Amino acid sequence: AQSVTQPDIHITVSEGASLELRCNYSYGATPYLFWYVQSPGQGLQLLLKYFSGDTLVQGIKGFEAEFKRSQSSFNLRKPSVHWSDAAEYFCAVGDRGTNAGKSTFGDGTTLTVKP
Amino acid sequence: EAGVAQSPRYKIIEKRQSVAFWCNPISGHATLYWYQQILGQGPKLLIQFQNNGVVDDSQLPKDRFSAERLKGVDSTLKIQPAKLEDSAVYLCASSFTDMNTEAFFGQGTRLTVV
Repeated sequence: AQSVTQPDIHITVSEGASLELRCNYSYGATPYLFWYVQSPGQGLQLLLKYFSGDTLVQGIKGFEAEFKRSQSSFNLRKPSVHWSDAAEYFCAVGDRGTNAGKSTFGDGTTLTVKP
Repeated sequence: EAGVAQSPRYKIIEKRQSVAFWCNPISGHATLYWYQQILGQGPKLLIQFQNNGVVDDSQLPKDRFSAERLKGVDSTLKIQPAKLEDSAVYLCASSFTDMNTEAFFGQGTRLTVV
């Protein structure tokens, strides 16, 4: 069965600093991979996705992620964090066998941004 | 393009009562999902519909949860009777049937069972 691990429950960074959120997955083949962001009281907004091709994926709001098959990782990065990036971030693995929308999620990383 | 609509946004009920949630997916999306998100956890799939048929309900607690998608558009998720551990956010999502497409999520319904 597929699974996702987000090792960091909570991360605090200063505004303007760089950010990396870690994601490790378990899946039998090449997966669909997603990063979502969730602000308090809101649904999930897709930041970026990997289906195939270039392993460095660009997303919205200045985020990027790199798929590393050898490490089973899909870490999310941003070079300079803004206070509005404070939220919860979820990594997810989509089921390539049926439909990409059917996903297994990690338990999330809460990002706090210090002024 | 209108997003996934869910109602109500918030619901508080007593244990053993029943509750229903409604979802209207994005127009043209054949696949619809219900996820349960308990506080401090990631969303977990409860059920997946393809048009009005169930594709996967292996994680749905069928003794108390039920879901339907009549006419392959709107969907309702019902809990009867509710337990304290059902307190969670219930997220509806939809996607095209095409393999290479992600799910789009609604804002969710926050259920509190007291």
